[in-house]
Amino acid sequence: AQKVTQAQTEISVVEKEDVTLDCVYETRDTTYYLFWYKQPPSGELVFLIRRNSFDEQNEISGRYSWNFQKSTSSFNFTITASQVVDSAVYFCALDPNGANNLFFGTGTRLTVIP
Amino acid sequence: DAGVIQSPRHEVTEMGQEVTLRCKPISGHDYLFWYRQTMMRGLELLIYFNNNVPIDDSGMPEDRFSAKMPNASFSTLKIQPSEPRDSAVYFCASSLIREGLPTGELFFGEGSRLTVL
Repeated sequence: AQKVTQAQTEISVVEKEDVTLDCVYETRDTTYYLFWYKQPPSGELVFLIRRNSFDEQNEISGRYSWNFQKSTSSFNFTITASQVVDSAVYFCALDPNGANNLFFGTGTRLTVIP
Repeated sequence: DAGVIQSPRHEVTEMGQEVTLRCKPISGHDYLFWYRQTMMRGLELLIYFNNNVPIDDSGMPEDRFSAKMPNASFSTLKIQPSEPRDSAVYFCASSLIREGLPTGELFFGEGSRLTVL
């Protein structure tokens, strides 16, 4: 069975704080892909990152960083020095076999308070 | 470049009426997806197409839902007859194949918010 769990429903931080969004996944496939998407108030989902199951190297892109740990089936997302524009719902997703069929978590609503 | 274009953005209808949602994917994209988002169930994949051919429609809730992709630049999602529980935001998304493999990088439209009274 494929499952993505985002246990944090809502998080509020004060601007400039760091924040980590958790994502735990379940799959029996050995080759799979993990994603993060951002859904700002305007509504459309925006792709942030894609990782494959063979690449556990952490990635940093500006203020964003991702920590992929197969041992704990987690793919956490950290925003450093958060800004008000980071306020959005963030979704973690799993593509269990590269078939382009994404299973999304329930999302974490991040509010950054000025 | 234009992104994924969906219409209508908002639709309010009465139970029993037919609803047609439309989507124009990004030109050159090989895959098209229809998702539904509700508070209770989150984001659910309804159906997706590869090169205009439906690949997986197992997420379509029931026979009242149907989707077509007559050509590479247009798709419709139809609900007939509509029911109040169909109220949701319906997203269309498209994506590419790169080096022979789907990328999984979905480009979403702004969604069609459907309210069935």
